[in-house]
Amino acid sequence: QVTLRESGPALVKPTQTLTLTCTFSGFSLSTSGMCVSWIRQPPGKALEWLARIDWDDDKYYSTSLKTRLTISKDTSKNQVVLTMTNMDPVDTATYYCARTPLDYDSSGYYFDYWGQGTLVTVSS
Amino acid sequence: SYELTQPPSVSVSPGQTARITCSGDALPKQYAYWYQQKPGQAPVLVIYKDSERPSGIPERFSGSSSGTTVTLTISGVQAEDEADYYCQSADSSALFGGGTKLTVL
Repeated sequence: QVTLRESGPALVKPTQTLTLTCTFSGFSLSTSGMCVSWIRQPPGKALEWLARIDWDDDKYYSTSLKTRLTISKDTSKNQVVLTMTNMDPVDTATYYCARTPLDYDSSGYYFDYWGQGTLVTVSS
Repeated sequence: SYELTQPPSVSVSPGQTARITCSGDALPKQYAYWYQQKPGQAPVLVIYKDSERPSGIPERFSGSSSGTTVTLTISGVQAEDEADYYCQSADSSALFGGGTKLTVL
């Protein structure tokens, strides 16, 4: 049974750094082709992909947020961590982590299991 | 910049067929994926690789692709299908469409 759970602060102040942890079970991030992504959704708005980390520690970031994001993993703890610097009120959103299997045929990927999400509010 | 375009809303009566489109220039080269999201819940994958259905997803959900447009079809719509639906594609970066709110009248 695959599960993912996001954890982190519910409230951060503008200019602060956000650190979110995704703790997962039911799969291994050391398995070839397996990845974990972070996705966010501002209230009432669409989904936005943020970052992905692969089983071989390759990392990919949203072009628009690349300078503010860092993704890392601790395979032994089954955890993936996302940090986002210089938080702003527009970053208020529900942040999801999701299991991301690679599709070797097409080099595409998708999100087949999601955490329940964690709402992060940016306000002074 | 590359975008995936969806209609903001689609409305159908119970038992009818709902079709939700997603257009993007890269779709002939990339697979599309579809997610259903109900209020207060995380998205759920309902279609992958244009037309494949994950286990546990009802057969009334199907997907198709033609050129720069992919379509999610829900046959025999039920009240429980009322939700937001998002298309997604990916190469090195992933991209979501703006979402379509399906209303069951």
